[in-house]
Amino acid sequence: GESVGLHLPTLSVQEGDNSIINCAYSNSASDYFIWYKQESGKGPQFIIDIRSNMDKRQGQRVTVLLNKTVKHLSLQIAATQPGDSAVYFCAENRATNKLIFGTGTLLAVQP
Amino acid sequence: NAGVTQTPKFQVLKTGQSMTLQCAQDMNHEYMSWYRQDPGMGLRLIHYSVGAGITDQGEVPNGYNVSRSTTEDFPLRLLSAAPSQTSVYFCASSYSGTVDYGYTFGSGTRLTVV
Repeated sequence: GESVGLHLPTLSVQEGDNSIINCAYSNSASDYFIWYKQESGKGPQFIIDIRSNMDKRQGQRVTVLLNKTVKHLSLQIAATQPGDSAVYFCAENRATNKLIFGTGTLLAVQP
Repeated sequence: NAGVTQTPKFQVLKTGQSMTLQCAQDMNHEYMSWYRQDPGMGLRLIHYSVGAGITDQGEVPNGYNVSRSTTEDFPLRLLSAAPSQTSVYFCASSYSGTVDYGYTFGSGTRLTVV
């Protein structure tokens, strides 16, 4: 079936650098996207969302970019900190009330 | 304000046993859902509910039952546990009965079926 994301990749960055985590989605009808952060042993935590009528949204140290032409979503984290180390998931609202998650990306921040 | 509370945190079952995973939220959220998370994979939707008395199937509903008798509670029942149901289970809730405001997740229940 359709899915969001790929096998769990790992992104290793130096503390203070910017991080970019990518996600591909397959359903062009999806109209809402969310990024979640999951720390070890915890549930996912909402980071930022974006609707399909937008191509960019900024939060505190985070920016989400949406390219509907190529069905691609990215999460940019500025000045990455050790506390940002976690698995990051993108999720799409594929149909009403069905939020479908990708497999996630492990972000490892090196001090 | 406790948010989404899941119990138990850990559980070991024998094949064929039944059990109920509890989920409660105190935010008056209409929407609640259950996900399972397997190693190296994302979260997969099991069942969801848009309000008391209303439930529907997600991506992987087989082997699980749910009910929603109150707004606050959304238990997940395993009638006859199988090793394939070994996983971490997350309950999530959302305001207004849609996903539009994102989800609040519980801390998870780690289930092992032997």
